[in-house]
Amino acid sequence: QSALTQPRSVSGSPGQSVTISCTGTSSDVGGYNYVSWYQQHPGKAPKLMIYDVSKRPSGVPDRFSGSKSGNTASLTISGLQAEDEADYYCCSYAGSYTPHWVFGTGTKVTVL
Amino acid sequence: QVQLVQSGAEVKKPGSSVKVSCKASGGTFSSYAISWVRQAPGQGLEWMGGIIPIFGTANYAQKFQGRVTITADESTSTAYMELSSLRSEDTAVYYCARGGVSCSGGSCYSSPPDYWGQGTLVTVSS
Repeated sequence: QSALTQPRSVSGSPGQSVTISCTGTSSDVGGYNYVSWYQQHPGKAPKLMIYDVSKRPSGVPDRFSGSKSGNTASLTISGLQAEDEADYYCCSYAGSYTPHWVFGTGTKVTVL
Repeated sequence: QVQLVQSGAEVKKPGSSVKVSCKASGGTFSSYAISWVRQAPGQGLEWMGGIIPIFGTANYAQKFQGRVTITADESTSTAYMELSSLRSEDTAVYYCARGGVSCSGGSCYSSPPDYWGQGTLVTVSS
């Protein structure tokens, strides 16, 4: 199982929007509506931001939204804020049994 | 509230094994899925495997098949991850993480982990 492909970095000014892509295959991202996104600040454990492609856990700001088309999922952060600067990882169910996850390569979001 | 508390940092020699524990509190331990995820220094997240204690059987990522063993002790609400034949590339922070489980029509699905332990640094060095 190969890691899902994400851009190494994206950046934006406060208030702007940024979108992170996550490309997999029909065996993971494209095969199931079970894509999630995690935010990780340095030295901290990951935090779940989006699950089931576009659902937000309680407490996650609605500035964070998710979508999927074919084998590619996307995370959009609208109204970028300084505290959004972090690493972001997509994660997809990879089938056959549960739990069975594959993570993306990770994207560093920089707030300029 | 839900808490996952992991055992402390370890320093191991190449070729040896390490066993990391993850004690859960809050919620019903047996009916959740526990995954183990590692992160090498400066690298990304890597799913190693997981277990649903009520079912008892662990599943592993292909990369770690034969080298990792994940178990759960329902009596103490503790999950364990043992990694053998350690090499320098196994130096990483190892996390346990809990996801929900839902079953319907004979099939069960584990939702992505929403609670994470604090991480355990395992250093492999001669």
